[in-house]
Amino acid sequence: NAGVTQTPKFHILKTGQSMTLQCAQDMNHGYLSWYRQDPGMGLRRIHYSVAAGITDKGEVPDGYNVSRSNTEDFPLRLESAAPSQTSVYFCASSYPGHNEKLFFGSGTQLSVL
Amino acid sequence: GIQVEQSPPDLILQEGANSTLRCNFSDSVNNLQWFHQNPWGQLINLFYIPSGTKQNGRLSATTVATERYSLLYISSSQTTDSGVYFCAVDLTRAAGNKLTFGGGTRVLVKP
Repeated sequence: NAGVTQTPKFHILKTGQSMTLQCAQDMNHGYLSWYRQDPGMGLRRIHYSVAAGITDKGEVPDGYNVSRSNTEDFPLRLESAAPSQTSVYFCASSYPGHNEKLFFGSGTQLSVL
Repeated sequence: GIQVEQSPPDLILQEGANSTLRCNFSDSVNNLQWFHQNPWGQLINLFYIPSGTKQNGRLSATTVATERYSLLYISSSQTTDSGVYFCAVDLTRAAGNKLTFGGGTRVLVKP
């Protein structure tokens, strides 16, 4: 199993451009989430999903959209990128129970100029 | 919302030393996890520990839920232990890992 796979690893965008960050898991995990990591701010949850077809907002959802059409994939879309969205983005997965470890992908470093 | 505070913010160790990292949280939790972010940015789950004590090699963790704190012990530290250690908690009892992260403790182990 590859675990949680994120693509791309690095990307540079211009302000106003759109982009989709990809996340895929092959562990049959029902729960998927997106976090952003900024210096001095730690990790903050953007959106999450407990199953296909069900998504919900995290702590910092503005400017981001998600969809969940199947168990494996959970793409994060930036419709009109802003410099404030420069960050490292992590996708994470787990079984959706109450006592399950959270596993992270390797991250996507995104710069918006 | 829930507050998660970690201390110390920075820690410099000589290889072979022992250390204790602390995580305080402001409300009762049903889910607490410790993570290590290595210098290459990879986040590794160390423990799921909402209460009690667990050990994994040179690392161990203890959570005292009634007193709202958790401790991570690193014994006989090695240079590969360098990185940032995060504590994360979830207040909710709903499905899924809705973890709120602390600010982390940055650890540097010198050879």
